[in-house]
Parts: sequence; structure tokens; C-alpha cells
Amino acid sequence: DQQVKQNSPSLSVQEGRISILNCDYTNSMFDYFLWYKKYPAEGPTFLISISSIKDKNEDGRFTVFLNKSAKHLSLHIVPSQPGDSAVYFCAAIRQGAQKLVFGQGTRLTINP
Amino acid sequence: DVKVTQSSRYLVKRTGEKVFLECVQDMDHENMFWYRQDPGLGLRLIYFSYDVKMKEKGDIPEGYSVSREKKERFSLILESASTNQTSMYLCASSFSGANQPQHFGDGTRLSIL
Repeated sequence: DQQVKQNSPSLSVQEGRISILNCDYTNSMFDYFLWYKKYPAEGPTFLISISSIKDKNEDGRFTVFLNKSAKHLSLHIVPSQPGDSAVYFCAAIRQGAQKLVFGQGTRLTINP
Repeated sequence: DVKVTQSSRYLVKRTGEKVFLECVQDMDHENMFWYRQDPGLGLRLIYFSYDVKMKEKGDIPEGYSVSREKKERFSLILESASTNQTSMYLCASSFSGANQPQHFGDGTRLSIL
């Protein structure tokens, strides 16, 4: 049972435009959400997170939006840069737990 | 800066061998995790540990065991390697407590022939 789903395996965006990566979850007990970025041959690196008490968190070019009623979150990258080309994983955790639940990942390609 | 170090980047072993994957972190993190990453499946948790000598099964523990004798070191053991254990293995660590990001090593690409 996939509790965290990233339904788009890949996404291609023009450099300078906005990239929007989506993530859906089914477990209403999740209360903290994270995005990780992974380059080939490297481990995932933490990018940005959001608590369920917020609906938006911004860090430079990266913004995460959370819609609790729809059980949906999205990561916006603007403007997109070639160095943003990577696989992006969303992850969720429920209160009191130590285990993250990851989505399948979305491969983002930024075209010059 | 957090450093999670996995002992091997690439490893080739034969079916039936006992395989050890080692992970060391230098940030005094209480929690350590082992994942495997497979195309289309994302990261799946194999085992995790929240303290020395403590371990808990993740989502796919079958065919694996772990050892945590020291706080900084967490080992993943494939008791009798099989070809379906060919994968990318990722170690992570974090502080305990709410909403602590996990920090990952660079992974070990393990091939079982």
C-alpha cells in the first residue's frame, strides 16, 4: 500500500520557467512533510519541509505548498536552473514516529 | 556539516554469500536507517535503529539483519545474498525527536551475481 505517491515519474521544464512537482498521500496521520533531491551516484539531500499547521513554506527559489483537505503537496521551483535536474522525493512522517515514508520519486530535467 | 559514510560505493558479490554493508555517521545522531532504492519504487526502509543495540524492522526486512554495537556505526547484513537483493543501498541518520531531517550517505550499489 503506497501511502505517499508521486504519480509523475518524470518532468521536463525549460530553464527559467517554473517547475511544479506533485505528491499525494493517503494517511491523515502524517503531520510533517519533506522534499529530498537526489543526483545520480549521490545520496538524497534534504531540500525543504513543511509542518501540517502551515500551508506554505518558502526557501529561496523553493516553495512547498500543502493542501491538507486534498492530502496533496507540491514543490515549486522558480526560476528553474540546469542544476535542478535531479530526482525529487517527497516524504511524510506522522507525529511521534521516527520513520519517513517516501514517494517513488520524480525525475526533473531542466532544458537549456 | 553532517557526514554519513558508507564503506563501499560499488560491491559485487555471489549468490549465497554473506554480505556486510557498513555505515558511519559523525554527528552523534541517535537514529540510523537502512533503505534500498529501486526504480519506480522509491526508497523502502529495511531496518532502523534508535539507540545502540536497538533495532526495528522496516517495510522490507526479509533476508536482512542489522547490527548497532556503537552509536556511530550501523551495519546491514545480507545473510545469504540473492539476485533480487541487487540494488542501491542507502544509509541515513538523524537526531531523535519530532521533525528531524534524515541525512543520507552516498549509497552502495550492490550487485549479486
